[in-house]
Formats: sequence, structure tokens, C-alpha cells
Amino acid sequence: QKEVEQNSGPLSVPEGAIASLNCTYSDRGSQSFFWYRQYSGKSPELIMSIYSNGDKEDGRFTAQLNKASQYVSLLIRDSQPSDSATYLCAVNHRNDYKLSFGAGTTVTVRA
Amino acid sequence: NAGVMQNPRHLVRRRGQEARLRCSPMKGHSHVYWYRQLPEEGLKFMVYLQKENIIDESGMPKERFSAEFPKEGPSILRIQQVVRGDSAAYFCASSPLKGADNEQFFGPGTRLTVL
Repeated sequence: QKEVEQNSGPLSVPEGAIASLNCTYSDRGSQSFFWYRQYSGKSPELIMSIYSNGDKEDGRFTAQLNKASQYVSLLIRDSQPSDSATYLCAVNHRNDYKLSFGAGTTVTVRA
Repeated sequence: NAGVMQNPRHLVRRRGQEARLRCSPMKGHSHVYWYRQLPEEGLKFMVYLQKENIIDESGMPKERFSAEFPKEGPSILRIQQVVRGDSAAYFCASSPLKGADNEQFFGPGTRLTVL
């Protein structure tokens, strides 16, 4: 079983719609959760971090964490063509510092 | 306010040569992490360093790979006797403090091609 799994995608959404990305993790000791955006040929860019259960909003992005279900999600509201990228879910264990990444979900926003 | 810097951005080596990848963390950051992204694969942790110390190298191949972060100068990831399977993007990330809550910020990466 992979440590961090993401819905495989690719995910295609029309401009202005909500893109919903899901991520599950296997280690119950995981403490910190991050979403990175990676454009093709570029490096990962941190867009959200979440540490406690519930929702965290930042602009058009909302991260949701449910530790009991070992589930973290990212919602992108009012999707724009510039949101077209691969989104990486990353998880950090309580006593650790290295990030475990999911394989990523590629999002395409159709104009 | 400069971010994480890596050089070179692109590196081409022939099989059997050595590759040296450099990383300068963000100002104020003393924790450096190296990750590798193979084509069509996810990011994988390789090594975590602080100044003059390797803290965790559990993700680094046992042979041919080494890393350092000297007191002065950038962190260096060294790959000896490269093989075609080493072709990948190598990313360095840095964080200001130790601990699981700390966000890691990535550099632009070095894309290594082994001919």
C-alpha cells in the first residue's frame, strides 16, 4: 500500500468551476499535510499547509483535513486556466521531517 | 528575498562521469532536503542535512551517491559514475527549523541527463 495516494486524474474542469482533489494517507502518525502545485517542467510550489482537522481557506483554495478518515482534500474555487498543473499531496510524520508525496493529480481547466 | 537556489539548472553527463549538484537554502534556513523526481514518478526523499551534519540519508542509494552541507557554502549532492537510470530532476528544499510542522520550500531543480 502506498503511503500517500491521490485520485489518479487527469481532472478536467471548465473555467469557473470547482476542482476537487483528494488524498489519503496510510500512516496514522502523520501530523502535517501540504499541497504543492507543480507546473510542467517546474518545481513544486507550496500552496497550502494544514495541521488540524477541519477546513483552511486561502483565497480560492480550501484544504480539508479529516485525521480519523486519514483524508485530506483541496478545493479550487472559480478555477482559472492558470490553475492547470499537477497538484501534489505531501504528508509529514509526527516525529519526522521528510515529506512523503503522492503521485499527483493533473488538473486541466478548460477555457 | 532570494528563494532556494540550485545550480546548474541542466546538467548533461556521459555514463561513468560524476555529477555535482549545488543548493543554497533560503536566507535564514538551516535545514536542507534533497528529493528526486524520476520521469513519470513522484517525488522521493533522498537526504536531510543541517550544517556539517547528515541527519537522515535513508532515501539515498547506498552506492555512488553522497551529500554534504559544509559550514560555508552550498549543500552538494554528488553522484559518482552516473548511469542512465540517474537521469531525473533533483530538487532541493529548505526550511527554517526542524520539525514536522515546518514548511519546505523548493528550489528550481537540476535536471540531470545521462547519455
